[in-house]
Amino acid sequence: AQKITQTQPGMFVQEKEAVTLDCTYDTSDQSYGLFWYKQPSSGEMIFLIYQGSYDEQNATEGRYSLNFQKARKSANLVISASQLGDSAMYFCAMREGQDDKIIFGKGTRLHILP
Amino acid sequence: SAVISQKPSRDICQRGTSLTIQCQVDSQVTMMFWYRQQPGQSLTLIATANQGSEATYESGFVIDKFPISRPNLTFSTLTVSNMSPEDSSIYLCSVAEGGNSPLHFGNGTRLTVT
Repeated sequence: AQKITQTQPGMFVQEKEAVTLDCTYDTSDQSYGLFWYKQPSSGEMIFLIYQGSYDEQNATEGRYSLNFQKARKSANLVISASQLGDSAMYFCAMREGQDDKIIFGKGTRLHILP
Repeated sequence: SAVISQKPSRDICQRGTSLTIQCQVDSQVTMMFWYRQQPGQSLTLIATANQGSEATYESGFVIDKFPISRPNLTFSTLTVSNMSPEDSSIYLCSVAEGGNSPLHFGNGTRLTVT
């Protein structure tokens, strides 16, 4: 079974609108971390935001926020006021328990339309 | 965050040959990982590079095909051995400081096997 599920292979959003990228995860650990990465066409992997399983507040970083719903095991990324430069592939990822490794979802390709 | 230099940035290789990819970090890091990203796919963890001991490989990856070295806390190599066209991918070195720290990535090596 997949540990990280991203159900939106692709999304088209009008510039300046907010966009939500879905991510659900599967773990039996109480302690885990959730990450979002952006991969533009250049191929680099850019870390965006982190949410710990014990964090009571939703993480925010500038225009990025993470809508963390622990009971539903979801960790959706919200991008406010989208920009053309936000067009990229977005990956949700998870680190479980004491494990050091991070596993990735299949990604969502986001297209921002002018 | 750590600065990661990965080389070569790209290469075109003939089947049956081997390529060694180098990853240099500008500071000592606890954890180093090697990922593969096949065309249009997500990132798949190949192995955790352990300093001073054998790497820990994920299911589906073996040492004979992907030997890894990590002689110190700032350097690692990944060799792709006896290459076939199916090995054409981007190979990414990544590092983490442990705890809740995110992975930081090198710019990757784009490998094409003909």
